[in-house]
Amino acid sequence: DAGVTQSPTHLIKTRGQQVTLRCSPKSGHDTVSWYQQALGQGPQFIFQYYEEEERQRGNFPDRFSGHQFPNYSSELNVNALLLGDSALYLCASSLEGDRGFPYSNQPQHFGDGTRLSIL
Amino acid sequence: DAKTTQPTSMDCAEGRAANLPCNHSTISGNEYVYWYRQIHSQGPQYIIHGLKNNETNEMASLIITEDRKSSTLILPHATLRDTAVYYCIVRPLINTNAGKSTFGDGTTLTVKP
Repeated sequence: DAGVTQSPTHLIKTRGQQVTLRCSPKSGHDTVSWYQQALGQGPQFIFQYYEEEERQRGNFPDRFSGHQFPNYSSELNVNALLLGDSALYLCASSLEGDRGFPYSNQPQHFGDGTRLSIL
Repeated sequence: DAKTTQPTSMDCAEGRAANLPCNHSTISGNEYVYWYRQIHSQGPQYIIHGLKNNETNEMASLIITEDRKSSTLILPHATLRDTAVYYCIVRPLINTNAGKSTFGDGTTLTVKP
């Protein structure tokens, strides 16, 4: 049973460019959350997608957007990249349904992330 | 979301128990305590979670105080592979804030031979 998979594993961009990161959730999961992790810090919540719509959002600007597809996979898009966007981007999936919280308190499962470097 | 505080770093001798504390004094009644760990270059790995009772699984034990304001993660026999950053988070279970897991900076546990 494949866990959460993310692509690419590493990416180098320059300031002002746009980037798309991809995530496939764990089999059976319907909800995808994205996190940004700066070096030496804990992950920070960006947003969560369920049924192809953004359900929750953290304190990130509109340059960060996302999408969820009918097969539950998801993309994170970042426009007008800044040097400060350099980070590890993590995707986490869970089974939450329309209740907005996990069934049986099941945890989120994380992928190994995409390391984004901005030059 | 309730915030958590953890020591920045801890050391533990291989084969001994590692006890990692976490303070969550503002936790509310509908919030679970979750523990994750992150080994360098990997995503966070789920360890254990609980509400108010002590929990144990194949990886660790979780002890939550009666007032739920703090908890301790116990790795009974630490190995070198347990060296990682350990995160304690609280996660609400009602309304749509459930996905908004708030991570602090965690505790860096170093297991030494």
